[in-house]
Amino acid sequence: DIQMTQSPSTLSASVGDRVTLTCRASQSISSSGVAWYQQKPGKAPKLLIYKASNLESGVPSRFSGSGSGTDFTLTISSLQPEDFATYYCHQYNSFLFTFGPGTKVDIK
Amino acid sequence: QLQLQESGPGLLKPSETLSLTCTVSGGSISRSGVYWCWIRQPPGKGLEWVATIHYSGSTYYNPSLKSRVTISVDTSKNQFSLKLRSVTAADTSVYYCARIYGASLDYWGQGSLVTVSS
Repeated sequence: DIQMTQSPSTLSASVGDRVTLTCRASQSISSSGVAWYQQKPGKAPKLLIYKASNLESGVPSRFSGSGSGTDFTLTISSLQPEDFATYYCHQYNSFLFTFGPGTKVDIK
Repeated sequence: QLQLQESGPGLLKPSETLSLTCTVSGGSISRSGVYWCWIRQPPGKGLEWVATIHYSGSTYYNPSLKSRVTISVDTSKNQFSLKLRSVTAADTSVYYCARIYGASLDYWGQGSLVTVSS
């Protein structure tokens, strides 16, 4: 089974900071199955990035995704107050999803 | 605008069967190229995929839950459903229904908290 890890588990940052979140797979995976989500307390997750690097419609351009093989990243170029949330990645292969444990971005 | 809404009991006793329904509005559950799934999230924890269904009836299950889970679809009602048998406290979670399009989950329901407690 493919396992997904995310680092760091918590990231403390300030408004305006550039932040990079990492998602790592236990083996090489197709980037077409990698997506990133943002979740705020009490809300459903929101799709940010699909196929590793494609920005979902309506998502601000300060969010970007990259990566291949086993290592994938989500970058927020200039952190805004509304970006403090938990971020999840997943891989999707053969109709099975595996989520990472999440990275919480909080206020420094 | 596509909307998904979960419905079902919020409180169960151990050993009972969890039954949830997701009603899809603003679009057809039979749309080509899309699948539908259930995701759950225990309080304060991460996301876990539970099961996926296509309107044709093809189903896919999380291996760790497969022995207890059934997902089904009713295209006439534009709904799909989840049954989880023999629940325990470990099944206490917010259960989300979601649409799968192009290997990602682009529409989600608001979530339904199911608590298992004696």
